[in-house]
Amino acid sequence: DAGVIQSPRHEVTEMGQEVTLRCKPISGHDYLFWYRQTMMRGLELLIYFNNNVPIDDSGMPEDRFSAKMPNASFSTLKIQPSEPRDSAVYFCASSLLKGLGNEQFFGPGTRLTVL
Amino acid sequence: AQTVTQSQPEMSVQEAETVTLSCTYDTSENNYYLFWYKQPPSRQMILVIRQEAYKQQNATENRFSVNFQKAAKSFSLKISDSQLGDTAMYFCAFMKHGGATNKLIFGTGTLLAVQP
Repeated sequence: DAGVIQSPRHEVTEMGQEVTLRCKPISGHDYLFWYRQTMMRGLELLIYFNNNVPIDDSGMPEDRFSAKMPNASFSTLKIQPSEPRDSAVYFCASSLLKGLGNEQFFGPGTRLTVL
Repeated sequence: AQTVTQSQPEMSVQEAETVTLSCTYDTSENNYYLFWYKQPPSRQMILVIRQEAYKQQNATENRFSVNFQKAAKSFSLKISDSQLGDTAMYFCAFMKHGGATNKLIFGTGTLLAVQP
């Protein structure tokens, strides 16, 4: 298996622009997670899905952030409009509820820079 | 709510020596999982070791072992025979067992530098 795939790996954009981050989870996994990592706040869970349904979005910072999972093999995290404080590394992870002690497998992350 | 605390922002160890990273957590749950993840400069998050709270035996994975003290809510990671490739940020994480959630709560991390 190729593991969790994220694209793009790097994104540089200007304030006010829309940004879309993409994730393909490991085939067969029924959970998908979006995390944000910054120096100030560490690793924060933004939202997670179970069987394509959003379960907990309490970590989404504000209405500018939205996430979707239209099918079991694809998810997006969108920021509109983007702001410099959104600059961070965004990770996607997937897991099986009953698998391997609930290990989460992480993608390589997307480094977002908002100028 | 659960919290995870890593009180050592940075640590350094000489190659081939042993180092212990500290982690404490706070929870009212009785059944849970604890994890150590490694994040090298490539930034890929890699699972190092996992411990089920109901197991008294400490988990071991090759050179990595944990000291799990449930009553004290402590979960330290010991790295033996440190190698240059162990240089990374290490995150301790908590997950509640049961229910319909795999939600991980991370500590702030410890940056480990292995010196040649």
